Amino acid sequence: AQRVTQPEKLLSVFKGAPVELKCNYSYSGSPELFWYVQYSRQRLQLLLRHISRESIKGFTADLNKGETSFHLKKPFAQEEDSAMYYCALSVRNFNKFYFGSGTKLNVKP
Amino acid sequence: KAGVTQTPRYLIKTRGQQVTLSCSPISGHRSVSWYQQTPGQGLQFLFEYFSETQRNKGNFPGRFSGRQFSNSRSEMNVSTLELGDSALYLCASSLGGGNEQFFGPGTRLTVL
Repeated sequence: AQRVTQPEKLLSVFKGAPVELKCNYSYSGSPELFWYVQYSRQRLQLLLRHISRESIKGFTADLNKGETSFHLKKPFAQEEDSAMYYCALSVRNFNKFYFGSGTKLNVKP
Repeated sequence: KAGVTQTPRYLIKTRGQQVTLSCSPISGHRSVSWYQQTPGQGLQFLFEYFSETQRNKGNFPGRFSGRQFSNSRSEMNVSTLELGDSALYLCASSLGGGNEQFFGPGTRLTVL
């Protein structure tokens, strides 16, 4: 069965430090993977998706099919990055999304 | 383009009652998905509608149902409410086919 795991509920780093939010998935086929972010008092929004291979707000994520991971990384965290981050998987050509339980990132000044 | 809207934003009900939540998708989006968000479980997929048909369904009891109208607006109904149904209910719209989902602000349901 499809499953997305985010092992850290809370991640605290200092401003300027590197950050890595972990995401592992289980799916036997070719998944579509996403990172969504929810800032305080804002709605959930897409941060990036693996097929676009973009860097958004300095964040990147690489799909590692061997390790079934899609970790989110940023070399230098900023205070405005503090938010809730969700990793999500969708089955290609289907519109059913599986979300992880989320990681709260707290960037300290 | 107007975003996804959900009404009402807050609801307080008592056990045993039923509730209907509404979602208006982004214009042109024919897919509407519903999620339940709780602190302990995160986001859990309820169901997805596309062109008035339920295409995907999560693992929720039959008390949770939905429908979609010809204008793509969607409603979700929960009957015989239980305390554990207290949650934020999110609606998301998309073009379908695994494309990006755009989320609404949610409806906060409290069951007393």
